[in-house]
Amino acid sequence: DGGITQSPKYLFRKEGQNVTLSCEQNLNHDAMYWYRQDPGQGLRLIYYSQIVNDFQKGDIAEGYSVSREKKESFPLTVTSAQKNPTAFYLCAVSDPGQGRTGELFFGEGSRLTVL
Amino acid sequence: AQSVTQLGSHVSVSEGALVLLRCNYSSSVPPYLFWYVQYPNQGLQLLLKYTTGATLVKGINGFEAEFKKSETSFHLTKPSAHMSDAAEYFCAVTMFSGGYNKLIFGAGTRLAVHP
Repeated sequence: DGGITQSPKYLFRKEGQNVTLSCEQNLNHDAMYWYRQDPGQGLRLIYYSQIVNDFQKGDIAEGYSVSREKKESFPLTVTSAQKNPTAFYLCAVSDPGQGRTGELFFGEGSRLTVL
Repeated sequence: AQSVTQLGSHVSVSEGALVLLRCNYSSSVPPYLFWYVQYPNQGLQLLLKYTTGATLVKGINGFEAEFKKSETSFHLTKPSAHMSDAAEYFCAVTMFSGGYNKLIFGAGTRLAVHP
């Protein structure tokens, strides 16, 4: 069954703890993205990766880190340096080469709450 | 630089009434345009997209959108709202950067449908 799997769906964290959100895809797409969503602010890009072993900062990368060791996996770590980490996190994939439209396919999201 | 403006962060309609969600974009090249829908605590799902060809695009769940180049608009419509249409809707435009396409999102419009 093709798709994008994010886990966990819900996560609670204490102040000062790092947490890692998982994103796995079997669509064989090259590009993967992490977005943060807050009420009334739409989607903001955290990090993206066009190919394995390469990734770039998005608009709000501070306090986050990623890795791209495998084509199908793009985990996001929310570090203790992120001052306001409570949010809904969305992973997406696309086939971004020239001539492609940039259309994104989204996972179901992970809701992180800091206690 | 490409950008997207969604007029109205909240829209409320009665069941059976016309749905009109507004989207204007700025782009220096012919755009690829998208509408996504998001239900609570879920990821984004593609409603419809315009790439080339016919400017009136039909999507899922009875929605359609018309690309109007002269007005730089891509408004989303549905003739008769249903309770199940209550969700948040995002308009997006493709930005071509560094050899790749990326999506730029509007801030979203939350649609409420009343009996």
